[in-house]
Parts: sequence; C-alpha cells; structure tokens
Amino acid sequence: AQSVTQLDSHVSVSEGTPVLLRCNYSSSYSPSLFWYVQHPNKGLQLLLKYTSAATLVKGINGFEAEFKKSETSFHLTKPSAHMSDAAEYFCVVTLSYNTDKLIFGTGTRLQVFP
Amino acid sequence: ETGVTQSPTHLIKTRGQQVTLRCSSQSGHNTVSWYQQALGQGPQFIFQYYREEENGRGNFPPRFSGLQFPNYSSELNVNALELDDSALYLCASSSATGGVETQYFGPGTRLLVL
Repeated sequence: AQSVTQLDSHVSVSEGTPVLLRCNYSSSYSPSLFWYVQHPNKGLQLLLKYTSAATLVKGINGFEAEFKKSETSFHLTKPSAHMSDAAEYFCVVTLSYNTDKLIFGTGTRLQVFP
Repeated sequence: ETGVTQSPTHLIKTRGQQVTLRCSSQSGHNTVSWYQQALGQGPQFIFQYYREEENGRGNFPPRFSGLQFPNYSSELNVNALELDDSALYLCASSSATGGVETQYFGPGTRLLVL
C-alpha cells in the first residue's frame, strides 16, 4: 500500500536560515509525489510535484525537493526561510499508479522566528 | 486562489442529522475529489467523481455519498452524523487526462457535530 511518513511534526527555524522538511514514502511502483502547503484558514496550495521526470523538482516560493529512490525519500528544502513560510506542510503520494487520488502525510508545522 | 469554491464555510449539526456540502470546480475541470481533514491530521480521501460517476472511494462508510452535476459541480452528503465526523471537508478539482493531474483545492467547509 502507498504511504508517506513525515518525520517531524514540528520544525522551527530562524528567518534567513535553511528549511528542511523530511518525508519518506512507501510505494509498490514508481510513485508520483507532491508537497502541499496549508496556511491557517486557507486551502491547500501545491508547492511542487514529482512524476518521474527530473529527480530535483523546483517549486514555488523558492522551495525544492529531491526524489531519492535508494532512500525512499522526498525531502523539501528552501535555502532561506521567510516569515511568510510559517504554515503546515504535507507530503503526498498518489493512491495508485497513474491516478490523481492522493494520500497525505500527517503534516509538519513550520515555525519561523524573526 | 484556485477558483474552487465551497459552501458553506462553517456548519454546526447535531448527531444523527444529515448534511450536504457543496463544491464548484475550477473552470475546465471535469473531476472532483473530496477529502476529510480531522483536527491535527492530514486530509483523507473520501471519493472522486468524474463526469458524474463515482471514480474511486476511500475507506469511508456508505453514509458518505456524493453527486456530480453536468456542470461538474459536486455535493457531499453525510447521513446519520457522528461526533467523529467533525472535520474540515475539502474538495479538489482536476482535469482528467489519463495521467497524474494536479488537484486544486477549495478553502473547505468546517463541520462541527454536537
């Protein structure tokens, strides 16, 4: 069965320092993986998407993620955190091959301190 | 903003009642998916509708049902409400092309069951 595990429920960084949000996946096939962000009282917004093309995926707002099959990981990074990055981040895998039905991780809450 | 709208924004019901939630998909999209997000959790897939037919269902009981209309808008109906149905209900629309399409989420309807 498909699943994702977000290794940290909370991450705190100072503004201007790097961000690393960790995600491991389990999949019986070559998966499609996503990162979504959820700001308070707002809907989910797609940050980036991996669908078996380049393993380093660039997203919006300076975020990127690298697909590492050998480590079954899809960690999200950003070189320099901004206050507006404070939100809940979800790592997501598709339910089965070639479908857009999604399985979400439990989320990582990112806090950014001035 | 994604162009996906949901109504109402908030709703309070009592146990045993029935509720209908509504979703208007983004222009040009023919697929709507529904997700339930309990407090502090990631969204869970309820079901998906494609061209007015159910196209996959998650691990939810039959008292969760849906409809999709010719204009691709959708309803989620929940009968015999239980306290555990209290959650944020999210709909997402996409344009099915046979591949892994990006889902665009609405802001959600927050349901409280007393």
